[in-house]
Amino acid sequence: DQQVKQNSPSLSVQEGRISILNCDYTNSMFDYFLWYKKYPAEGPTFLISISSIKDKNEDGRFTVFLNKSAKHLSLHIVPSQPGDSAVYFCAASEAGSARQLTFGSGTQLTVLP
Amino acid sequence: EAGVTQSPTHLIKTRGQQATLRCSPISGHTSVYWYQQALGLGLQFLLWYDEGEERNRGNFPPRFSGRQFPNYSSELNVNALELEDSALYLCASSSRDRKNEFFGPGTRLTVL
Repeated sequence: DQQVKQNSPSLSVQEGRISILNCDYTNSMFDYFLWYKKYPAEGPTFLISISSIKDKNEDGRFTVFLNKSAKHLSLHIVPSQPGDSAVYFCAASEAGSARQLTFGSGTQLTVLP
Repeated sequence: EAGVTQSPTHLIKTRGQQATLRCSPISGHTSVYWYQQALGLGLQFLLWYDEGEERNRGNFPPRFSGRQFPNYSSELNVNALELEDSALYLCASSSRDRKNEFFGPGTRLTVL
């Protein structure tokens, strides 16, 4: 059973427009959420995170929104740039000593020039 | 500061052989995680080591095993290789707060 789901395997956006990547989760014990970006032949790199006590976190062009009641988070990239083309993974973890990340299956973002 | 390193970059084996993959975490990190990313799939959690102990393992058969050394580096061993073991194997490390994981570049394992 997938606890973290990214239902869109791919997304294409025009340069300069907004990219919105979505992620849903089922485990109500998750309290910390992260987004990672992965280029081909490289490991994922951390992008932005949000704690469940917040509903929004912003870092430059990247904003993550959390809707706890809907168990949904989204990553907004504004404006999108061709260098943003990558696979984006959302991840979540539960409070406690384990704090192991559970990853979604990823969304391939392509930003068209 | 050096990031997470993995070796080898690529590994080609045949069915039934054994593969050993290595990972060195970021200095000061005590936790090491192993993930498998098969073609078209997301990151599947394999193993978590912390302070030399296996803390958790994902839904993989026992022929996937590993260990963590006193210097916190880690090995992943895959015995009796099968074709479907062909994947990118990613290692990540984290500090004691375990809020974020830093990934290495991965080892591409091909089983022929």
